[in-house]
Amino acid sequence: GAGVSQSPRYKVAKRGQDVALRCDPISGHVSLFWYQQALGQGPEFLTYFQNEAQLDKSGLPSDRFFAERPEGSVSTLKIQRTQQEDSAVYLCASSRSRGSMNTEAFFGQGTRLTVV
Amino acid sequence: EDKVVQSPLSLVVHEGDTVTLNCSYEVTNFRSLLWYKQEKKAPTFLFMLTSSGIEKKSGRLSSILDKKELFSILNITATQTGDSAIYLCATYTGTASKLTFGTGTRLQVTL
Repeated sequence: GAGVSQSPRYKVAKRGQDVALRCDPISGHVSLFWYQQALGQGPEFLTYFQNEAQLDKSGLPSDRFFAERPEGSVSTLKIQRTQQEDSAVYLCASSRSRGSMNTEAFFGQGTRLTVV
Repeated sequence: EDKVVQSPLSLVVHEGDTVTLNCSYEVTNFRSLLWYKQEKKAPTFLFMLTSSGIEKKSGRLSSILDKKELFSILNITATQTGDSAIYLCATYTGTASKLTFGTGTRLQVTL
C-alpha cells in the first residue's frame, strides 16, 4: 500500500481483556517496528522485526505483550489481560533497510488503546 | 542508556516568527539523527542527518547536526498555523535496531 496502515484506529478495552492490534507495513519494507507512546511522551521502542524474524523484543514491558509477523509482512501486537497502564497510542513503523542502516522509518496513524 | 533531550518542551509563537528547536543526545555508537513532525498521531519524516555541519533544507524548514557537541537544531522560518505540531527528534545507533526518541517540542503558532 501507499503507507503504513494500522487498525483499529481506536480501541477501548475493559481491564483484563485481550487485544490485538494490526499493522500493514509499506509493501516490500524489510524492517517493522512497534512503539508505544504515552500521553505527553515520545514514542518508546517495543520490538523490531526483520522480515519474519523478531530480532529485538527488549522493549516489551511484560510477558503480557506479544508480537508476530509470520509471513514477513503484516504484523500483530497482542496484549493479554490489559491493564490501565497499557493505555497509550501504539505506533507501527516500517523501513526498507535492515535495522539501523541509514534510512528513515515511516509511521502509521497508530492505534489509541484505552483500558477502562 | 541512550538519551535524547529536546528543548523547549513547548513553545507558542505568532505567525511569521522564526523558531529554533533543540535536540541533544547521549548515545552509544551514534549513526544518525532524525526529525519528525507529529500532528494527531502519525509522526511524519522531516530530515535525517548523519554528517556534521551540513544543513538540510526543505522549504521553510532546515536542520543541522553538530556531532562534536552532540546536538541538532530544527529551524522554521516564517511560521504558519499549519506548523503547529509536536516535533520529535530521534537517534539511530549502530548497536540497536531502533529509534530512541526525545519527548518532543510542542509548537503552537497563533494568528
